[in-house]
Amino acid sequence: NAGVTQTPKFQVLKTGQSMTLQCAQDMNHEYMSWYRQDPGMGLRLIHYSVGAGITDQGEVPNGYNVSRSTTEDFPLRLLSAAPSQTSVYFCASSTPRRDTQYFGPGTRLTVL
Amino acid sequence: GNSVTQMEGPVTLSEEAFLTINCTYTATGYPSLFWYVQYPGEGLQLLLKATKADDKGSNKGFEATYRKETTSFHLEKGSVQVSDSAVYFCALAPFGNEKLTFGTGTRLTIIP
Repeated sequence: NAGVTQTPKFQVLKTGQSMTLQCAQDMNHEYMSWYRQDPGMGLRLIHYSVGAGITDQGEVPNGYNVSRSTTEDFPLRLLSAAPSQTSVYFCASSTPRRDTQYFGPGTRLTVL
Repeated sequence: GNSVTQMEGPVTLSEEAFLTINCTYTATGYPSLFWYVQYPGEGLQLLLKATKADDKGSNKGFEATYRKETTSFHLEKGSVQVSDSAVYFCALAPFGNEKLTFGTGTRLTIIP
């Protein structure tokens, strides 16, 4: 049972480049979410999804897009990377009772 | 809006010392409260949780009690080990809602 997987583990981008962070879970969880972790700020919610075809914005959605075409996958797209998006990104999914979230190992992104 | 305030770190203790990490929250209604732990290089893992007032969450020797009268959820352990060195996050989620609000995290280092 792989749980929540994220790729890549590390990524360096130049300002203006685009990329997609991948997230997949094999637990058949309906709820998935993306957070960013910055020093001194804890984790902040970027986007979330309550099921395939349904997404919504979290606390810090600007500069990011998401889609949810399947239950398993929830990719996060950076359309035009900026240095302010340098961060560690975590994907999470929630149990059917929605009271526990499982986190992936994270992607460390640096934007130059 | 919802918020979580955590004890500032870093915290350094000797092995077998008593640990307290303070956490207070602001929220409407009756949120669920969580402690997550992040070991070096890994994603977050749920450590313990409590879903209603006076509930005590416990796991791996750690405990926290949901105190509605003081809006607190302090983390305690009677005798810490080197393996407890990690970053600890307090978090809340509104009842029936998975959207977590995190504190800023407390880095704990245990020295032999």
